[in-house]
Amino acid sequence: SQQGEEDPQALSIQEGENATMNCSYKTSINNLQWYRQNSGRGLVHLILIRSNEREKHSGRLRVTLDTSKKSSSLLITASRAADTASYFCATGLTGGGNKLTFGTGTQLKVEL
Amino acid sequence: DGGITQSPKYLFRKEGQNVTLSCEQNLNHDAMYWYRQDPGQGLRLIYYSQIVNDFQKGDIAEGYSVSREKKESFPLTVTSAQKNPTAFYLCASSIRQVTGANVLTFGAGSRLTVL
Repeated sequence: SQQGEEDPQALSIQEGENATMNCSYKTSINNLQWYRQNSGRGLVHLILIRSNEREKHSGRLRVTLDTSKKSSSLLITASRAADTASYFCATGLTGGGNKLTFGTGTQLKVEL
Repeated sequence: DGGITQSPKYLFRKEGQNVTLSCEQNLNHDAMYWYRQDPGQGLRLIYYSQIVNDFQKGDIAEGYSVSREKKESFPLTVTSAQKNPTAFYLCASSIRQVTGANVLTFGAGSRLTVL
């Protein structure tokens, strides 16, 4: 079963604009991560936020976490064509050991 | 360079045949995972192993089998019992954490097509 659901499923923006993707989940977590996948490739880890954190930054990435609403958002600022990819949130469940459960992903297209 | 190697990249199989997908890592990670990816469904966990000679079923283990005889290797066999095996298979590894967050390193994937 899917723990996370990303919204929107697909997003198309112009280069230089900001892209915001949202992730909602169902059960208690101890961390939430975002991964990126280029078409036909493996996933690459972007950023991790723990359940006791509300916001984290990494370069042009900003992640927020609202555990009361069971949701997270990923903001990519000043997007580039090279940011075109699918983005997945993944949750580590409280008491879930090493397992990560992935959402369905957001396909981002950044046009020149 | 450290990383995860999956092979083959593309595989075609006839119905009724078993196939084995290879996953090798040189990251010295204890934990390894197999995920299946279908269009529009994200990644679903098939099997995972936190230590050599031990593994657990994930959410969709039926029709699959694994072994973990060496720390570096975690092969996945797709058996003829798997009803819809055509998919993109991703192997990942991480350090083993009993509690807390673990970051996954992924291989490039193996695409299996059943003819």
